[in-house]
Amino acid sequence: RKEVEQDPGPFNVPEGATVAFNCTYSNSASQSFFWYRQDCRKEPKLLMSVYSSGNEDGRFTAQLNRASQYISLLIRDSKLSDSATYLCVVLGGSNYKLTFGKGTLLTVNP
Amino acid sequence: GAVVSQHPSRVICKSGTSVKIECRSLDFQATTMFWYRQFPKQSLMLMATSNEGSKATYEQGVEKDKFLINHASLTLSTLTVTSAHPEDSSFYICSAPGTGVSGELFFGEGSRLTVL
Repeated sequence: RKEVEQDPGPFNVPEGATVAFNCTYSNSASQSFFWYRQDCRKEPKLLMSVYSSGNEDGRFTAQLNRASQYISLLIRDSKLSDSATYLCVVLGGSNYKLTFGKGTLLTVNP
Repeated sequence: GAVVSQHPSRVICKSGTSVKIECRSLDFQATTMFWYRQFPKQSLMLMATSNEGSKATYEQGVEKDKFLINHASLTLSTLTVTSAHPEDSSFYICSAPGTGVSGELFFGEGSRLTVL
């Protein structure tokens, strides 16, 4: 099982749609979880951290299920500017390293 | 927020030459910096951890003699790809941990290396 696994997509959705991304991780000792956003040929940028209780930031909602080792990101009311690759990132166990998923490509169409 | 600057953004070189990439933290000090490599449609893969004042820590499978890392000051880390070959062509990105959210990294703009 890969350390961090994401559905690669691509996801093509119309403006205003709701889209959900999923991610699983293999190391049960992983400590922290994040979603990063990467625009084409650009550096990744932190979108939001993911907390056990779930957290929301505007149109974005992140959830963590430690028992299932599963993380999700929900985007409501998609905008054209949401088009990007979304990276699931895990801060792992004893090595304190960030491990990146391959990313899920989202294209929001007018 | 913290800013990390990386230079050059693009470089094309001939096979066998060496290329140096610089990573600077502009408004904060970074005792640790990370170097990643990203191939098309692949995830970022950590190559090495650069430590100010000491030797870099390389990930398994990364040749330390080929990818030379120097962290000369609290604001500068360099990656030198020595004797570059076409298979070294990739997107190289540096990052430094922020002082806020644990696990948040601030990334440089990345350097796209093409070896002919």
